[in-house]
Amino acid sequence: DAGVTQSPTHLIKTRGQQVTLRCSPKSGHDTVSWYQQALGQGPQFIFQYYEEEERQRGNFPDRFSGHQFPNYSSELNVNALLLGDSALYLCASSDGFNQPQHFGDGTRLSIL
Amino acid sequence: AQKVTQAQTEISVVEKEDVTLDCVYETRDTTYYLFWYKQPPSGELVFLIRRNSFDEQNEISGRYSWNFQKSTSSFNFTITASQVVDSAVYFCALSEAQAAGNKLTFGGGTRVLVKP
Repeated sequence: DAGVTQSPTHLIKTRGQQVTLRCSPKSGHDTVSWYQQALGQGPQFIFQYYEEEERQRGNFPDRFSGHQFPNYSSELNVNALLLGDSALYLCASSDGFNQPQHFGDGTRLSIL
Repeated sequence: AQKVTQAQTEISVVEKEDVTLDCVYETRDTTYYLFWYKQPPSGELVFLIRRNSFDEQNEISGRYSWNFQKSTSSFNFTITASQVVDSAVYFCALSEAQAAGNKLTFGGGTRVLVKP
């Protein structure tokens, strides 16, 4: 039973570029959330998708956008990258809203 | 707004010592969930436990135990007879059940270092 899988594992970009991160939820899960974790800090909620719609959003600018596909997989897009976007991006999935979220290994994004 | 505070940034112990991690939370909701996650150096957040706001019963799972006290808005976590493999960052988190989703609000984490 595969858990949450994220790709790529590492990514290096330069300021102003755009990036797309991908997530496949755990089998049987239909809800996907994205979190940003800066070095030495706790994860910060970006947004959550359910039934291909954004259900909740944290305090992140519009440069951060996402999508959920019919197979429940999800993408996180970040435009106009800033140095401050360097972080570990974590994807989590759950079976609806009443079950615990399970996390992937994350994508480490470095902005030069 | 919801908030989670983990006052201890780092705890260092010698193997077989007990270690207690503090977590204090703030929320206006009467129905909510509290969580603990473990983050080893590999980066993946590992789910340890979830408690709902109506269940203040303490829980023990192997060497792990949790003490939930609504009166003090605390959800503390104890590792008994610590082992080197327990070295990780531990996060306490809160989710408000009445929201449109189940977003997690995390504390800043407590790094636990268990020395042999």
